[in-house]
Amino acid sequence: EIVLTQSPGTLSLSPGERATLSCRASQSISSTYLAWYQQKPGQAPRLLIYHASTRATGIPDRFSGGGSGTDFTLDISRLEPEDSAVYYCQQFDPSPRWTFGQGTKLEIK
Amino acid sequence: QVQLQQSGPGLVKPSQTLSLTCAISGDSVSTHSAAWNWFRQSPSRGLEWLGRTYYRSKWHNDYAVSVNSRITVTPDTSKNQFSLHLSSVTPEDTAVYYCAREPATTAFDVWGQGTMVTVSS
Repeated sequence: EIVLTQSPGTLSLSPGERATLSCRASQSISSTYLAWYQQKPGQAPRLLIYHASTRATGIPDRFSGGGSGTDFTLDISRLEPEDSAVYYCQQFDPSPRWTFGQGTKLEIK
Repeated sequence: QVQLQQSGPGLVKPSQTLSLTCAISGDSVSTHSAAWNWFRQSPSRGLEWLGRTYYRSKWHNDYAVSVNSRITVTPDTSKNQFSLHLSSVTPEDTAVYYCAREPATTAFDVWGQGTMVTVSS
C-alpha cells in the first residue's frame, strides 16, 4: 500500500504570502494519479488539482500543483484569509484503491 | 451543474446495517464517463475510500479491502441515485460519510454534503 506523508502538519502564514505544501509518497506514483483537495470545517473536500498539476474547474490560478515520482507540492500564492483550511493530497493505485495523506492545516494569521 | 444530495439515518445500532443514499442531479448514475463513490472521515482513520459503482455496458463494483466483506454499493437507475450498505457495524464505523463523483480523472470533483453517522446502542 502506498502511503502519502504530508508536511508540514500545520502552516501559519500572513495574507499575501506564499504557501508551499508537500506530499511525499512511499513509492513512485504516476502524476496522473495525484490530486489535491481543500477542506474547511463542516464541509466536504473540494477538488483543487488533479493529474498533479491541472486545476479543477473554477479554481483560481493562485493554486498550482507540481512534482513527480515521490515528491509533489501544492503552491498557493497571494494568500487570502479564505484559504484557511486543511489540504489533502490523494493518490490512486490500481487495486483499485484511493488513499489520502493525513492533511496539512493552513492558518492565515 | 451536478449536485449530490445524501440522505439516511445519523444513528445506527451496533451489529446493524448502515444504509445511506446519494441522489444525483445534473448527471446520470448510468453514465459511461463517471463512477460513483463512497468515503468516510473520522479523526482516527482520516479520509478513507470505501467503494464505488459504475456502468460500462454492465454494472461494476470495487470495494476497499478494509470493508470488503461488509459493504455493498448499489445503483438505482429509476431514481438516479446510489446507495451504501455497510453491515455488522461497530463503534469504529462512526464517521462522516460522503458520496462523490469520479469522472475520468482519478479524482473526485463533486461531493455530497456529508452525513455524520454514529454507531451506538
